[in-house]
Amino acid sequence: KNEVEQSPQNLTAQEGEFITINCSYSVGISALHWLQQHPGGGIVSLFMLSSGKKKHGRLIATINIQEKHSSLHITASHPRDSAVYICAVRPYGGSQGNLIFGKGTKLSVKP
Amino acid sequence: SQTIHQWPATLVQPVGSPLSLECTVEGTSNPNLYWYRQAAGRGLQLLFYSIGIDQISSEVPQNLSASRPQDRQFILSSKKLLLSDSGFYLCAWSVPTSGGAYEQYFGPGTRLTVT
Repeated sequence: KNEVEQSPQNLTAQEGEFITINCSYSVGISALHWLQQHPGGGIVSLFMLSSGKKKHGRLIATINIQEKHSSLHITASHPRDSAVYICAVRPYGGSQGNLIFGKGTKLSVKP
Repeated sequence: SQTIHQWPATLVQPVGSPLSLECTVEGTSNPNLYWYRQAAGRGLQLLFYSIGIDQISSEVPQNLSASRPQDRQFILSSKKLLLSDSGFYLCAWSVPTSGGAYEQYFGPGTRLTVT
């Protein structure tokens, strides 16, 4: 079993829809990251959080440490949001900055 | 501001040939540096990380090696490529935030195809 599981693996939405991507992990962590990978391969860090909730524009990330679960929400989705969204966690006691990655959720937003 | 460079962007190499991928970081000092590989249909896998010059840790045994000859230069190498080395290679850097966490910043990546 992977230490970081994401769902769904693939997601197709219509422009304007509210989108939720989920991430569950099985290890104790000190931080969780949400990353966005565009079709060309480049990766951008969206959020790093260890508790509660963070918001940036139309993106919201939440984490529940007790339940070992995080969600990434996109409000008013747009075709330019189409990308692979990756959840990654930094385990307690792990080497500095080392992350364990989920396999990603491929999002396609249709106009 | 900080910038991370990787080259080449794409590379096609025959099996058994050597490999050298380079990553450089600008605008920061003493960063942690990382090499990741993303194989087709799979998640990112940490290959090597470095906390300083000539300090390299390997996460996965393989025919690849890494070196850090300068503070902001990280090189991924192989003496003989295998077909299974094909993938997308990403370099990343991080420094601790004020809260002690490590935000990671990724380079543009190198797409390697071994034929």
